[in-house]
Amino acid sequence: GIQVEQSPPDLILQEGANSTLRCNFSDSVNNLQWFHQNPWGQLINLFYIPSGTKQNGRLSATTVATERYSLLYISSSQTTDSGVYFCAGTGANNLFFGTGTRLTVIP
Amino acid sequence: DADVTQTPRNRITKTGKRIMLECSQTKGHDRMYWYRQDPGLGLRLIYYSFDVKDINKGEISDGYSVSRQAQAKFSLSLESAIPNQTALYFCATSDPGRAHGYTFGSGTRLTVV
Repeated sequence: GIQVEQSPPDLILQEGANSTLRCNFSDSVNNLQWFHQNPWGQLINLFYIPSGTKQNGRLSATTVATERYSLLYISSSQTTDSGVYFCAGTGANNLFFGTGTRLTVIP
Repeated sequence: DADVTQTPRNRITKTGKRIMLECSQTKGHDRMYWYRQDPGLGLRLIYYSFDVKDINKGEISDGYSVSRQAQAKFSLSLESAIPNQTALYFCATSDPGRAHGYTFGSGTRLTVV
């Protein structure tokens, strides 16, 4: 079945620190994506990253599809980065989400 | 205006009541979805629809029903609400031509007392 696992479940950072979030997924998962859910509950699509590396400002993501994992890097973290980060992959017809990493950035 | 609009944003209802959550989209996408999020969990799929005449159960459809009134409208009903249906509900659309083309609404926070 579809499995998407994320680590760590919780992360607390001092503002300015860097972090790496990990997502492991089963071999039936395709089209890996990363989302950020802000403290108000809004879901924002960060990256569509089925393989390779992408960067967007202080965020970057790498997916190694052959080893079935993806990493989200956050550099120089800011308090506005706080929230929950989800990875999700498509199965047959829809997105399957991991349980998320809750990030808290303290000033 | 938002691409995917959910109403209401927040709702408190009593056990046993029927409640409908509505979703409308301006993306022009055929595919629409309803997800549920519980604290500490990711989103889980309730129902999905690939066009107006297509309705499919997701992972956790028991206790829910849906109606696809038009390409742009997809509503979720709780026929007889119970407290463990208290959750954050999301509607989403996708473009089958773009696997990453998912757009989510802002969510409906439902509390059943």
